[in-house]
Amino acid sequence: NAGVTQTPKFQVLKTGQSMTLQCAQDMNHEYMSWYRQDPGMGLRLIHYSVGAGITDQGEVPNGYNVSRSTTEDFPLRLLSAAPSQTSVYFCASSYSRQGRTEAFFGQGTRLTVV
Amino acid sequence: AQSVTQLDSQVPVFEEAPVELRCNYSSSVSVYLFWYVQYPNQGLQLLLKYLSGSTLVKGINGFEAEFNKSQTSFHLRKPSVHISDTAEYFCAVNKNTGNQFYFGTGTSLTVIP
Repeated sequence: NAGVTQTPKFQVLKTGQSMTLQCAQDMNHEYMSWYRQDPGMGLRLIHYSVGAGITDQGEVPNGYNVSRSTTEDFPLRLLSAAPSQTSVYFCASSYSRQGRTEAFFGQGTRLTVV
Repeated sequence: AQSVTQLDSQVPVFEEAPVELRCNYSSSVSVYLFWYVQYPNQGLQLLLKYLSGSTLVKGINGFEAEFNKSQTSFHLRKPSVHISDTAEYFCAVNKNTGNQFYFGTGTSLTVIP
């Protein structure tokens, strides 16, 4: 099992450009989430999905779109990149079964917007 | 709403000394508690979790944590740290919804030789 795979690992964008961060999981988890990590702020939830076709906003959704057409994939789209979106982005998949839950994380995408 | 407070942003400690990383949470409902570790330029890896049962939870790499419901705390401890424990540590809560994990701001542990 590869777990959670994120691509790309690094990206530099110009202000106003758009791009998609890819995330795939092979654990058949129903839940997937995107977080951004900024110094001194921990991980903040951007968007999450509780299953294929269902997404919802987290704490910091502005400027980002998501969709979930399959259980495996959960791409994050930056519509018009801004310097404030410079961050490290983590995708996670998780489950909740019989009183057990855990989140598994990808290796992250380091995004710089200039 | 849930919130997580990690009281120390940076903790330096000498090799082979004990360490405690503090975590407090607030929630109107019962939550599950987690500690994750992040080594430089890597993703987050689960150290340990409290779901139910014994309030003392043992994890990987010799770490343990104790759930204290009355003090709403879930402090992480290790009796003797190694250089390889240098990393960022995150406390997190979840309502057992499977999604929406809420993280603290992290504690940077530096082990000094």
